[in-house]
Amino acid sequence: EAGVAQSPRYKIIEKRQSVAFWCNPISGHATLYWYQQILGQGPKLLIQFQNNGVVDDSQLPKDRFSAERLKGVDSTLKIQPAKLEDSAVYLCASSFGQIVGAFFGQGTRLTVV
Amino acid sequence: AQSVSQHNHHVILSEAASLELGCNYSYGGTVNLFWYVQYPGQHLQLLLKYFSGDPLVKGIKGFEAEFIKSKFSFNLRKPSVQWSDTAEYFCAVKTPTDKLIFGTGTRLQVFP
Repeated sequence: EAGVAQSPRYKIIEKRQSVAFWCNPISGHATLYWYQQILGQGPKLLIQFQNNGVVDDSQLPKDRFSAERLKGVDSTLKIQPAKLEDSAVYLCASSFGQIVGAFFGQGTRLTVV
Repeated sequence: AQSVSQHNHHVILSEAASLELGCNYSYGGTVNLFWYVQYPGQHLQLLLKYFSGDPLVKGIKGFEAEFIKSKFSFNLRKPSVQWSDTAEYFCAVKTPTDKLIFGTGTRLQVFP
């Protein structure tokens, strides 16, 4: 079974630039998560999708971050404009049930300079 | 708001020592509980989970965890750690809406 695919693996941008991350979850997984993991901290949930609908985006900084999951499959997360404090690893995960944990991708390491 | 707290930020042990990592959560309803591990350079992997039944659950690589409902705790244990257990460990809670919340993590270093 293929895992959660994310791209790119690494990205370096200047502050105020925009960036987009892509995620392809495991086939058949209805729930998709985006997390931000700052060095030394636990993953912070940014947004949760159920199919193509948003379930929770309470911690998404909506003035600069946006995410979509068209057709309920793959998803993109965008930051525009980026700030220095956005430097982090952005993790995508997917799940198919309540008692099942989420499966994680390798993440995208973003450095904002 | 839901939250997960992990008491130990950094734990250093010698091989064969016993391990216990604390995890407490804040949520009034039914939850499912997880421990994840992140080895250096690798992605997060599921170590074990609890969703019902026996509160003592066993996972991979000799790890186990005990759910104590009255204490809102889900502590991770291993009787004898190995150098290969060096990693970061995260406790997580899943709510009935499938919201998956992580703790801050515990960095474990095991020395031979």
